[in-house]
Amino acid sequence: DIQLTQSPSSLSASVGDRVTITCQATQHISHFLNWFYQEPGKAPKLLISDSSNLQTGVPSRFSGSGSGTDFAFTIASLQPEDIGTYFCQQYDDLPLTFGGGTKVEIK
Amino acid sequence: QVQLVQSGSELKKPGASVKISCRASGYHFTTYALIWVRQAPGQGLECLGWINTNTGNPTYAPAFKGRFVFSMDTSLSTAYLHLSDLKVEDTALYFCARGSRTPDLWGQGTLVTVSS
Repeated sequence: DIQLTQSPSSLSASVGDRVTITCQATQHISHFLNWFYQEPGKAPKLLISDSSNLQTGVPSRFSGSGSGTDFAFTIASLQPEDIGTYFCQQYDDLPLTFGGGTKVEIK
Repeated sequence: QVQLVQSGSELKKPGASVKISCRASGYHFTTYALIWVRQAPGQGLECLGWINTNTGNPTYAPAFKGRFVFSMDTSLSTAYLHLSDLKVEDTALYFCARGSRTPDLWGQGTLVTVSS
């Protein structure tokens, strides 16, 4: 299985800060990476597909980049409603696998 | 409304079985595959596998072959996850989601608690 390593596992930042989460794959996965947001006890929500494709209705402060083995997810200006956990997920190969998650909190 | 609605929480004893349902509405059921994902308390997401809703053919992640069975009823636009010989470590929130590569629509989750 392809393993995804997310960093950091948690972060605390102030409202308005720029926040970046990284995701590294154990093998080349082209651009086949998605990013999700999850609140505790709720279903994940797809934010970005194909590494950088922002889903309809998702605020433009969210962005994704990368290809191959190294990817990044950025919140340009952190808002209070952004607190929760973010996951990367690869679909280059089955089974689908997810990163360990990054818990984002407000300082 | 386009949605996936899952069955309610379950409390089971070790060794028992459980069947979770996932009903699709607002779109044509057989157009998209459905995947099953679980999340143990405080943990990350694990993909159990997926079912081709056009053919009914299931594909299981290697770690979940054996006690996990995917099935479906096209007439009800519903997919099922059957777990047998439950273990305490199967305690988790189980999700169905639409799409075998990019799951863009998720059910609300079904909590399965296994405890003696």
